[in-house]
Amino acid sequence: NAGVMQNPRHLVRRRGQEARLRCSPMKGHSHVYWYRQLPEEGLKFMVYLQKENIIDESGMPKERFSAEFPKEGPSILRIQQVVRGDSAAYFCASASTGTGEWVEQYFGPGTRLTVT
Amino acid sequence: AQSVTQLGSHVSVSEGALVLLRCNYSSSVPPYLFWYVQYPNQGLQLLLKYTSAATLVKGINGFEAEFKKSETSFHLTKPSAHMSDAAEYFCAARKSGQKVTFGTGTKLQVIP
Repeated sequence: NAGVMQNPRHLVRRRGQEARLRCSPMKGHSHVYWYRQLPEEGLKFMVYLQKENIIDESGMPKERFSAEFPKEGPSILRIQQVVRGDSAAYFCASASTGTGEWVEQYFGPGTRLTVT
Repeated sequence: AQSVTQLGSHVSVSEGALVLLRCNYSSSVPPYLFWYVQYPNQGLQLLLKYTSAATLVKGINGFEAEFKKSETSFHLTKPSAHMSDAAEYFCAARKSGQKVTFGTGTKLQVIP
C-alpha cells in the first residue's frame, strides 16, 4: 500500500509564475490536508478537503492560493503569481476519516518550492 | 486560540544520554497531543499520541511522553539517545474538528 505521494518533490519558479503541487492520498483515504513549513518554523495548516469539497480553508492566504480535490485524481494546491515569500516546503497529509475519533494523518514527503 | 510551545529550537545530547524535548500547550487545547519526527527532506512521522487513555504514552523507537495536566506539558523523553535519533521533532495538538496545531520544532543533535 503506497503512502501519500507528492510531486514534484522540488519545484523552482520565477516570480510571477504559477506553481501546481500535487498530492495523491493513501489508498482508501478521502480526507486531505495541506500544510506549509517555512524555514525554522513549524507546520502551518492551510486547508482541509474532502472529495470535491473544501471543508476548512481558514489557513489559506486570501489571494493567489487555491486548492481542490476532485472526484478523480490528486489534490492540487495552486499558487498563482508566486513571490519569494512563497518559498517553503508544502506538505500534504491524508486520513481515512474526518469525523469522530481522531485517526492518524499520514504525511507525504513534501514539495519544496523555491521562488527565484 | 490554542498554541503549542516547544522550548529550545536546538538540543544536543551525547550518544547514550537522556533525551528530553519540552512541549507545553495552552489550557484551551483539547486532550489530543502528538509528537512527530521529521528526518531531513522527508515528511512527518507520528511518534506517539495522547488521547486521554493513559498519561504515560509509549511510542516508536523507544520514545515516550507524559501528559501532565497541572503543568500543561507533554514532554518527550528517551532514556538513551542513538545516532539515528538525530532529526527534528514537532509537538502538536488537535483542535476541535480535525485541525492540528504544530509547535515550531526542536532539532535534536546526537554527539558521538
